[in-house]
Amino acid sequence: QQQVKQSPQSLIVQKGGISIINCAYENTAFDYFPWYQQFPGKGPALLIAIRPDVSEKKEGRFTISFNKSAKQFSLHIMDSQPGDSATYFCAASISGNTPLVFGKGTRLSVIA
Amino acid sequence: GAVVSQHPSRVICKSGTSVKIECRSLDFQATTMFWYRQFPKQSLMLMATSNEGSKATYEQGVEKDKFLINHASLTLSTLTVTSAHPEDSSFYICSAQDRAVGLTGELFFGEGSRLTVL
Repeated sequence: QQQVKQSPQSLIVQKGGISIINCAYENTAFDYFPWYQQFPGKGPALLIAIRPDVSEKKEGRFTISFNKSAKQFSLHIMDSQPGDSATYFCAASISGNTPLVFGKGTRLSVIA
Repeated sequence: GAVVSQHPSRVICKSGTSVKIECRSLDFQATTMFWYRQFPKQSLMLMATSNEGSKATYEQGVEKDKFLINHASLTLSTLTVTSAHPEDSSFYICSAQDRAVGLTGELFFGEGSRLTVL
């Protein structure tokens, strides 16, 4: 049973455009939703994270939108740049002593 | 941010040998560390949760006798792949939680270790 469903699997965006990646979760006990960025051959790095008490969080060009009733959250990358080309993973966990559950990842390519 | 160091970053070994991968939290103490496995173009799959001073908790389908995990101190966890076979070739990634923050905070990931078994 996949607890976090991520889409699309791959995404091609023009430089300067907006990249949007979506995730849906099933477990209503999840209360921590991070996004990770991973470059080839490297470990994932935390990009931005949100908790259910807010509907949106923005850090620079990256924004998370959170819809608790729909059990969905999304990552928006504004003014996408070629350097943003990477694989992005959404994840979820329950505060306490549970590990992160990852989505399957989205391979983003930003073309000039 | 906090740094998690993994060593070695790449290792090639012969089938039947054992390989040890180290995961260290460099500037914080980690009561809990997690070991993930990632196949090419796939997501991270949790293998086990490593707790300092106690036995690791393995996910369903992960052989605990094959993937030995030791968390001897608050800054070091090791994963030993015993009697490695080609199908064990993968990217192994550890992550750690800052003990001071607890499991409500950020997970810091190592750079990963690519294991190739010939």
